[in-house]
Amino acid sequence: ETGVTQTPRHLVMGMTNKKSLKCEQHLGHNAMYWYKQSAKKPLELMFVYNFKEQTENNSVPSRFSPECPNSSHLFLHLHTLQPEDSALYLCASSQGLDYTGELFFGEGSRLTVL
Amino acid sequence: GQNIDQPTEMTATEGAIVQINCTYQTSGFNGLFWYQQHAGEAPTFLSYNVLDGLEEKGRFSSFLSRSKGYSYLLLKELQMKDSASYLCAASDSNYQLIWGAGTKLIIKP
Repeated sequence: ETGVTQTPRHLVMGMTNKKSLKCEQHLGHNAMYWYKQSAKKPLELMFVYNFKEQTENNSVPSRFSPECPNSSHLFLHLHTLQPEDSALYLCASSQGLDYTGELFFGEGSRLTVL
Repeated sequence: GQNIDQPTEMTATEGAIVQINCTYQTSGFNGLFWYQQHAGEAPTFLSYNVLDGLEEKGRFSSFLSRSKGYSYLLLKELQMKDSASYLCAASDSNYQLIWGAGTKLIIKP
């Protein structure tokens, strides 16, 4: 497999559930990102990891908890979410953190919170 | 504050040319990206401009004017498969990407 793979592609959960999103990249990149994409809104950067270390947390509520066990895998743990958290969650990777190189995105996990 | 503006939606005809504009206001500047995103798919990289001028890649070209805080993406010989959203993003002085909300391009036969 190549590129960035996200699972599940679709997730429906209640506000009291706990679930996790998974991202895997097969590109040998060192940086990985979680973005939130809502309709007609700009991409919102949530978390950044570089060499497994979290370098950014853009004031994301604690009900979102990231985990990066190694440079190839990234998780987003979800608990007690709100309906406004319904969105497409995109994972991306890049060679480094200088942001002059392109980001490689996964196809996203479409989350619906009931 | 930092901001990116691009049209919400545009419509064009198959075989024609379309120009998607993007204006940006950032604290410092380290380049301008364009990404294409088909419905239900991952955004994919189209271009990166850091110097003024036009860069051409086949049917797609991207232009940058740093003094005007302005970029455009030019698509020629439009095909139905070009129907997608086009995302503009500027890199600021801290190399943070500031994203626009995207332009949905509809191609009609």
